Amino acid sequence: NAGVTQTPKFRVLKTGQSMTLLCAQDMNHEYMYWYRQDPGMGLRLIHYSVGEGTTAKGEVPDGYNVSRLKKQNFLLGLESAAPSQTSVYFCASIPGQGFGAFFGQGTRLTVV
Amino acid sequence: GDSVTQMEGPVTLSEEAFLTINCTYTATGYPSLFWYVQYPGEGLQLLLKATKADDKGSNKGFEATYRKETTSFHLEKGSVQVSDSAVYFCALSSLFSGGYNKLIFGAGTRLAVHP
Repeated sequence: NAGVTQTPKFRVLKTGQSMTLLCAQDMNHEYMYWYRQDPGMGLRLIHYSVGEGTTAKGEVPDGYNVSRLKKQNFLLGLESAAPSQTSVYFCASIPGQGFGAFFGQGTRLTVV
Repeated sequence: GDSVTQMEGPVTLSEEAFLTINCTYTATGYPSLFWYVQYPGEGLQLLLKATKADDKGSNKGFEATYRKETTSFHLEKGSVQVSDSAVYFCALSSLFSGGYNKLIFGAGTRLAVHP
């Protein structure tokens, strides 16, 4: 049972480049989330999904897009990367309210 | 809106000392409360949880009690070890309009335990 898997683990982008971060979970969870973690700011919610085919904006959605075409996958896209998007990105999933979240190992993204 | 506030770190303790990390929350309705731990270079792991008022969550010697009257969920451990050094996050999970579940984290508290 792999849990939540994020790819890639590390990436360096040049300003203006695009990329997609993949989150895959094998637990049949309905809810999936993308967070970014920055020093001194904890985890901030970028986008989330309550089920296949649905997505919604979180606290800091600007500059990001997401898709959930399959229940097990939640993709986070950066269309035109900016240095302010340098961060560690975490994906999480939960089966429902009241349950603890399962986190991926994180993706460290640097935009130069 | 809903929010979680936890004490700023770092918290520095000697081995076998008593630990308290304060956490308070603001939420409409009846959230579930969690503590997560993050070791260097890793993702967050669920440490313990409580789903209703007066519930006590416990795991690996850590405890936290859901106090609705004070909107608090303080993390405690009677005797910390060097291996407990990590960042600890308090979080809440609640439903909001439309039936969507939201998961909100505090800023995290770094704990450093010295021999």
